[in-house]
Formats: sequence, C-alpha cells, structure tokens
Amino acid sequence: DTAVSQTPKYLVTQMGNDKSIKCEQNLGHDTMYWYKQDSKKFLKIMFSYNNKELIINETVPNRFSPKSPDKAHLNLHINSLELGDSAVYFCASSLISSSGNTIYFGEGSWLTVV
Amino acid sequence: AQKITQTQPGMFVQEKEAVTLDCTYDTSDQSYGLFWYKQPSSGEMIFLIYQGSYDEQNATEGRYSLNFQKARKSANLVISASQLGDSAMYFCAMRAYNQGGKLIFGQGTELSVKP
Repeated sequence: DTAVSQTPKYLVTQMGNDKSIKCEQNLGHDTMYWYKQDSKKFLKIMFSYNNKELIINETVPNRFSPKSPDKAHLNLHINSLELGDSAVYFCASSLISSSGNTIYFGEGSWLTVV
Repeated sequence: AQKITQTQPGMFVQEKEAVTLDCTYDTSDQSYGLFWYKQPSSGEMIFLIYQGSYDEQNATEGRYSLNFQKARKSANLVISASQLGDSAMYFCAMRAYNQGGKLIFGQGTELSVKP
C-alpha cells in the first residue's frame, strides 16, 4: 500500500478551469501538507493541516483552497487556473510533535495549464 | 528567517567513488531537524537521512552519511560507493520545532554518476 497517495498524477487543463487534486495518507500521521515545485525544481510549502485544522498558509493566492475532511485526507482545489499554476504539486504527511519526525511525500501531481 | 543553501547546482562523480553534496543552513532556533531527500527523474521525493540538532553523532543510513557541523551550520550529505541509480536531484531541508512542522528546502543539487 502506498503511504501517501495523490490523484491525479497528470493533469492537463485549460486556463480558467477549476480542478482538484486529492491526497490520502495511511501512516496515521496527524499533519498533512501541500508543496509546490516550480519549473526550476524549487520546493515551497503552500499549506499545512494538523488534525483538520489549517496551521500554515504561505501567502498563496486565494484561488487555492485546501480542504481536510479528516486527518487522513487533504485535498487541493484550484479555481480559475492560470498559466503560472503549472507545476508539480506534492502532498506530504508527518507527525507534528517533533522536528525530527520525517515528512513523507506522495508521488506528485503534474499540473499543466494551457 | 530560516534558510537552506545548496551551492552546487550540478555535480559529477565516477561510479564507485564517494561524493559530498554541500548544504548550509541558517536558523535562530535551537531545536531543528535536517533532512536529505532524493528526487530521481521519475519525480517522487524519497527520504534519505535525518540529523537532529541535538544529535552528537553523525547520522548514517547505509551508503548515506550526514556530515553535521553545528558550529559551521553545515549538513553535508556523503554518498559512498556511488551507483548509476544515484543519479538524481538531491535536496537538503530543515524543519524547526516551532514552525508548524514545515520543511524549508534548498535549491537542490543534480548529481550525475558516470559509468
């Protein structure tokens, strides 16, 4: 079983559309994240949820809306997609209680906006 | 502010040789963790090794070891006996105890292993 799974893996869509990426973890972690990797491979955190509560929101446009129905799931909805949203989006999870707890990543979702 | 710096955009190493990937960090926190991740061309992020700020010994995981020099704020990754499958992007990252658990990443180093 994949520890952190996200779907879809590839997504090609037109500007202006709305799309969602889903993420699930079966590690029993209490914290989930969305990271964005841009075309230069730089990884930056977007959001973090701890036990369904938003704890990190890193100056992301409000077209991006995360939703955590329970602590094993964290979805990312993007409205009015723009060309600059093209990137790889990674879901991740961990236990928050210590800086030593490893963060495990999903396989990434490749979003291309045309 | 916290920052991770990887100064080597690309590195080459001969198969079976050892290679060191550099990472320096900046933080005012006393409690933090340092991580290395591997990203092969297939794109997934693979956890390699972890070092805690209070750990006195350098971390090792198989062929990977972390050369932790706290006073110099460096956390270099050493890969021994390089294999062709080690060719990938390598990211150094830091997680501070009081930062909501988020990882801050360096720019990455692309390692190419030559046969």
